[in-house]
Amino acid sequence: DSGVTQTPKHLITATGQRVTLRCSPRSGDLSVYWYQQSLDQGLQFLIQYYNGEERAKGNILERFSAQQFPDLHSELNLSSLELGDSALYFCASNRPSGRNRVTDTGELFFGEGSRLTVL
Amino acid sequence: AQSVTQLGSHVSVSEGALVLLRCNYSSSVPPYLFWYVQYPNQGLQLLLKYTSAATLVKGINGFEAEFKKSETSFHLTKPSAHMSDAAEYFCAVTLAAGGYNKLIFGAGTRLAVHP
Repeated sequence: DSGVTQTPKHLITATGQRVTLRCSPRSGDLSVYWYQQSLDQGLQFLIQYYNGEERAKGNILERFSAQQFPDLHSELNLSSLELGDSALYFCASNRPSGRNRVTDTGELFFGEGSRLTVL
Repeated sequence: AQSVTQLGSHVSVSEGALVLLRCNYSSSVPPYLFWYVQYPNQGLQLLLKYTSAATLVKGINGFEAEFKKSETSFHLTKPSAHMSDAAEYFCAVTLAAGGYNKLIFGAGTRLAVHP
């Protein structure tokens, strides 16, 4: 058990709909990362938050958005869903490695993922 | 820019045989390198990491990897495969972006272990 909790574990919805995926990081972790894993694209970095602020952006579509709340949990919102959005969405967390530094080695702790199926 | 390439999307070995999963990286600065494992229907779990200390890194479940700067490689090995090692393995490198690090994954190698 990594300590990272993701809900829901499975989600089936239709094209055009909107869903929200939720992530609770490990206790004490300030950074939350979202990744998308699909058969054709592999594991793609979407976005990172650190202590409530967006820190880095990857291959995240404009139809997708995320935020990190004051209690450090994060939500990934996927809208106008398309068939190609069907994938496993992983949340990961970590904490900075030193005092007054937000850089870290990059070691992440992953949740078990939310499997989204768009029909 | 940093990136990582995993050679071979599928590797099949016999139980008890050597496991060798290949990973090459490109980086303009000394990298942090990782191997993660993903068992079926689970999230990714850290196997081992290289953070510029010893070049031979030992991880969990009997795996180890050697950082070779001259070859820009970080291959994962295990002397004797077990059926429970069947999983997908990801090599990853940190990418410095705007002063902060993010993890970039290779495409993954699926390891099959047969009796």
